[in-house]
Amino acid sequence: EIVLTQSPGSLSLSPGERATLSCRASQSVSGTYLAWYQQKPGQAPRLLIYGAFSRATGIPDRFSGSGSGTDFTLTISRLEPEDSAVYYCQQYGSSPPIFTFGQGTKVNIK
Amino acid sequence: QVQLQESGPGLVKPSETLSLTCTVSGGSISNYYWSWIRQPPGKGLEWIGYITYSGSTYYNSSLKSRVTISLDTSKNQFSLKQSSMTAADTAVYYCTRYSYTYVAFDIWGQGTMVAVSS
Repeated sequence: EIVLTQSPGSLSLSPGERATLSCRASQSVSGTYLAWYQQKPGQAPRLLIYGAFSRATGIPDRFSGSGSGTDFTLTISRLEPEDSAVYYCQQYGSSPPIFTFGQGTKVNIK
Repeated sequence: QVQLQESGPGLVKPSETLSLTCTVSGGSISNYYWSWIRQPPGKGLEWIGYITYSGSTYYNSSLKSRVTISLDTSKNQFSLKQSSMTAADTAVYYCTRYSYTYVAFDIWGQGTMVAVSS
């Protein structure tokens, strides 16, 4: 089973700054199978990025995904107060199908 | 706009079976896959399993022996049954739509908190 490790565990940044979140896989992952979610307190997660770099419907272009193999990144340029949340990466493995999530990165906007 | 709503008991006794239902509104349950994901308090997300529109099921191996997901297309609902509940199963349970195009969970219910306690 592939393990996803996210770093840092948390970060605190000011509005307008750039946030760089890392997701490292224990084995190579197809970029097609890598997604990112945002979860605000008391809410369900929301899909941000699928296929490693494609934004989901309605997601602002300040959110971008990149990476391949074992290293993937979510970048939030020009942070806004409403970006305060926990961000999770998720991968899909086949044979048998399994979905695993990273432990999350908490982003705090000062 | 498709919306999902979980329903079921908020409290289950140890060793009992949890039964949750997810009602899909604003769209048909056909032509998509449907999944359950849970999140213990203050912790991360764990995929439980999914069911395809044709009724095929796939489960997380860590829960497979205790979990059953079923589909009721006439009611536009899908359900989760999880047996032998323990305190470790205390969590928010989310029903979600799985998009095999995106290979991601693109629509989520608001979640329902389930506590296991006597």
